[in-house]
Amino acid sequence: GAVVSQHPSWVICKSGTSVKIECRSLDFQATTMFWYRQFPKQSLMLMATSNEGSKATYEQGVEKDKFLINHASLTLSTLTVTSAHPEDSSFYICSARPKGRGLRTDTQYFGPGTRLTVL
Amino acid sequence: LAKTTQPISMDSYEGQEVNITCSHNNIATNDYITWYQQFPSQGPRFIIQGYKTKVTNEVASLFIPADRKSSTLSLPRVSLSDTAVYYCLVERFGGYQKVTFGIGTKLQVIP
Repeated sequence: GAVVSQHPSWVICKSGTSVKIECRSLDFQATTMFWYRQFPKQSLMLMATSNEGSKATYEQGVEKDKFLINHASLTLSTLTVTSAHPEDSSFYICSARPKGRGLRTDTQYFGPGTRLTVL
Repeated sequence: LAKTTQPISMDSYEGQEVNITCSHNNIATNDYITWYQQFPSQGPRFIIQGYKTKVTNEVASLFIPADRKSSTLSLPRVSLSDTAVYYCLVERFGGYQKVTFGIGTKLQVIP
């Protein structure tokens, strides 16, 4: 149990285009989902926190109009990078906290990550 | 949430026991400690979690002293496949608090 998937696993796009990344909790419902960004040889940096049915809470310095987060259901959150530029190239990772049902509700379960390269 | 401090890197030979210590001086009563493992280009993977004393599972042990201001992750008999970055996180009961990842400890296992 407690599997989180991300799609796509990698994406290459041209500068100025938008890219959508999906994060799904496959076998549990998630009260909260988190989006992180990780640059090479650096730690994970939290971008935003999203709860199902409400607006995401963005960290300081993260542009909410550029990184659109939609938490449509208890099993799906999407991150859209709008008008992507080369500096947005990074490894994007989502995580989800279970709603219950025998899993560790106080633990984040992470997705495998999405490698975004903007040319 | 409490800030964590870990060694940036550690080297170990195969078959040895590795102990990675994390400091979290400002940990609160309703906080607990979680350790994650991350391989390159993968998401972090849960290793172990604890509140106090000792916790053991099939892959690691976690030692937390009475004052809870530090914790030690113990990996028995490491292999080359344990080469990864290990993160110590302080998380709060209730599950709604965001967490901050520190720099992590890069463990290099040497043959």
